[in-house]
Amino acid sequence: DTAVSQTPKYLVTQMGNDKSIKCEQNLGHDTMYWYKQDSKKFLKIMFSYNNKELIINETVPNRFSPKSPDKAHLNLHINSLELGDSAVYFCASSHSSSGNTIYFGEGSWLTVV
Amino acid sequence: DAKTTQPTSMDCAEGRAANLPCNHSTISGNEYVYWYRQIHSQGPQYIIHGLKNNETNEMASLIITEDRKSSTLILPHATLRDTAVYYCIVRAHSGAGSYQLTFGKGTKLSVIP
Repeated sequence: DTAVSQTPKYLVTQMGNDKSIKCEQNLGHDTMYWYKQDSKKFLKIMFSYNNKELIINETVPNRFSPKSPDKAHLNLHINSLELGDSAVYFCASSHSSSGNTIYFGEGSWLTVV
Repeated sequence: DAKTTQPTSMDCAEGRAANLPCNHSTISGNEYVYWYRQIHSQGPQYIIHGLKNNETNEMASLIITEDRKSSTLILPHATLRDTAVYYCIVRAHSGAGSYQLTFGKGTKLSVIP
């Protein structure tokens, strides 16, 4: 069983479109994250949610809006996509009372054309 | 979180032990040393973590110096599937800093047949 699953795995879309990436974890974790890995392979945190509350919000454009309907899901909505949004987006989760070891999904490859 | 320094790349012969060093001279008393790896086109994978004692699990061993200013990740019998970028990260287990991992450039380990 996949612990942290995200869909779609690949997404090609045009500039200006609005798209969403979904993430679900079945580990019973209370904290979820979105990370971005750019073309230079640097991994950077975007958001962190603990018990559905926003904990970390790095300098991310307002076009990016995470939504956590429950502790097992953290979806990423992106409005008005730009070429620079092309990257790999990783969802992750952890349990705050267990040292916060973070487990990652397999990534969603977003290409904006 | 404390900054870490790792070699950019390393080679290791298949079947031999891979020893990956990491310097974290500014680590504070409540920060743990974490190791993750990222195999090409996959999400980061947790390997091991420790505070001050040496640790071993089914994947690797972690040796932390007595002053905690450096550590070494040991893969006892490297296989071709261990070829990946290995990240050494220091992070506290409580507070806002516990909710994220700050990835550096890591060490690209190439296991050679």
